[in-house]
Formats: sequence, structure tokens, C-alpha cells
Amino acid sequence: KQEVTQIPAALSVPEGENLVLNCSFTDSAIYNLQWFRQDPGKGLTSLLLIQSSQREQTSGRLNASLDKSSGRSTLYIAASQPGDSATYLCAVQTGTYKYIFGTGTRLKVLA
Amino acid sequence: DAGVTQSPTHLIKTRGQHVTLRCSPISGHKSVSWYQQVLGQGPQFIFQYYEKEERGRGNFPDRFSARQFPNYSSELNVNALLLGDSALYLCASSLLIQASGANVLTFGAGSRLTVL
Repeated sequence: KQEVTQIPAALSVPEGENLVLNCSFTDSAIYNLQWFRQDPGKGLTSLLLIQSSQREQTSGRLNASLDKSSGRSTLYIAASQPGDSATYLCAVQTGTYKYIFGTGTRLKVLA
Repeated sequence: DAGVTQSPTHLIKTRGQHVTLRCSPISGHKSVSWYQQVLGQGPQFIFQYYEKEERGRGNFPDRFSARQFPNYSSELNVNALLLGDSALYLCASSLLIQASGANVLTFGAGSRLTVL
């Protein structure tokens, strides 16, 4: 049974810091991994998608890596800003259509 | 181009009642998935529909049902509501990348259900 874990559960950093969010999964048989951002009470916004054959993806200040063999992904945020404050969720696609989500990392960037 | 739209955005029901939630996918997307997100948790998979057929079902009781219409919009129905059904219900439409099998999800803003 696939399980997805995110560490840390919460993180508070001063503005400008580079930070790393971690995601681990127990079964390496995945189609892809997606990172999402969720603002309080809102839906999910897709940040990055890494297909199973890829090692990393970059978008602006965000970089996500995937190591299927070790069951790990990291989301790197460079030069953090207060507007980055949100919950970050990783999800792995198992089977053709189903995603398993982690419980998220609540990030607060202090001005 | 409109994103995934969900209605209603908020609703309050009492135990035992029935609720219908609606979702319109992104134009051109034929796949719709439903997820339940309880406060403080990650979303949990409920259903996935593709081309009007159920393709996947999560570990939810039979009180939960869904359907997809010819225009690819979808409804999620929950009968005999329990307090524990209070959650944010998220709909996602997706475009299947045929070569890899990757299914890229785009979520709506959700319907927040409170059961009293």
C-alpha cells in the first residue's frame, strides 16, 4: 500500500532563505509526482510535475527532484518571500488515474 | 479559458440529509476526479471518471456516488450525511499524457461541506 510522508509538518523561516521540503513514498512504482500549493481554505495549485522517467523539474524559484529508487522527492524554494506562505503538498500517481497525497508542509515566510 | 469550476462553494447540511456537488472540467479534458480533504489532512481519492465511465474508486462507503455527463461535467452525491463527511470536496480535471500514462491534475477551488 502506497504511503506518502512529508517532513517537516510545519516550517517558519525569515524572508530570503533558501529552503527544502521533503516528500517520501513507500512504493517506487509511480507514474509521476506532482507538487501542489494550497492557500488556506482554497483549492490546490499545481507547481511542478515530474514524470517517472525524469529526475528534476524547474519553474522560476522552484526546483523539484525525484529519486524513485529511494522513494524521495524534494522541493527547493530559492530566496523565499512572504507570498510563498502556504501549505505544500506532494502527490504520487499510482495506477492510471489515482493520486496519493501527503499531509503537507505548512510554510510561513516571515517578512 | 475557464479553469475547473465547482458549485456550490460552501454549504451547510444536517445529519441524514443528502448533498450534490457539481464540477465542470477544463474544456477538452475528459477525465474528472473527486477528492475529499478533511481539515489538516491531504486530499483522499474518492472517484475518477473518464469518458463517462467510472475508472477508479477509493475507500469510501456506498453512500458516496458520482456520475459524469456527456459534456464531461460531473456530480458527486453523498447520502445519509454524517458529521465526519464535513470536508473540502475537490474536483480535478485531467489531461492524460498518453505516452507515459502520466495524468496531470488541475483542481477547482472546492466545495466546503459542513454537516451539523
